[in-house]
Amino acid sequence: GQNIDQPTEMTATEGAIVQINCTYQTSGFNGLFWYQQHAGEAPTFLSYNVLDGLEEKGRFSSFLSRSKGYSYLLLKELQMKDSASYLCAVMDSNYQLIWGAGTKLIIKP
Amino acid sequence: IAGITQAPTSQILAAGRRMTLRCTQDMRHNAMYWYRQDLGLGLRLIHYSNTAGTTGKGEVPDGYSVSRANTDDFPLTLASAVPSQTSVYFCASSGSPLLADSYNEQFFGPGTRLTVL
Repeated sequence: GQNIDQPTEMTATEGAIVQINCTYQTSGFNGLFWYQQHAGEAPTFLSYNVLDGLEEKGRFSSFLSRSKGYSYLLLKELQMKDSASYLCAVMDSNYQLIWGAGTKLIIKP
Repeated sequence: IAGITQAPTSQILAAGRRMTLRCTQDMRHNAMYWYRQDLGLGLRLIHYSNTAGTTGKGEVPDGYSVSRANTDDFPLTLASAVPSQTSVYFCASSGSPLLADSYNEQFFGPGTRLTVL
């Protein structure tokens, strides 16, 4: 079967750094996506990794290890507006996205 | 219209009734998708369409049907609603469905919150 695992909830302090992990087992791999979803809103695209390594985009970075079936999203200089759910999704061999249940990130002052 | 729109925003529906959720995009994207999102579960794909005139079944297609008569519209129909179809429904689109590329990100509509009693 196909499976995406990520922690249900994490808490961090404003100004700090947080790492959200994602492990996956899928039939085929055509890239891994991270999305942000604020409560009551639609998911919005954050990052995409298809090769091993780190992709940096401002305060957000995403890392991929295909051999380990592992990715993480790193958020630096946390702001209150970063309180949201972060969704990990893998594009499988059929080019369909398989989604994790999401990690709810709570930022405390 | 900018991006993807969905209608209605929310709906309360009696069990057994027929309901169509509407989705329209103006980005000329080839692919469109319908997902449902339930608490504690990831987004689950209901149906998809890689291009106008074609549709396919996703992970949870039972009780739902779709059509793709043109590029812009992708309605989702519940023929006879049941309480287990209570959920938030998201429509999404992407440019190149059969391509492993960062430009193949999916853009989401604002969602429809459906309650079936």
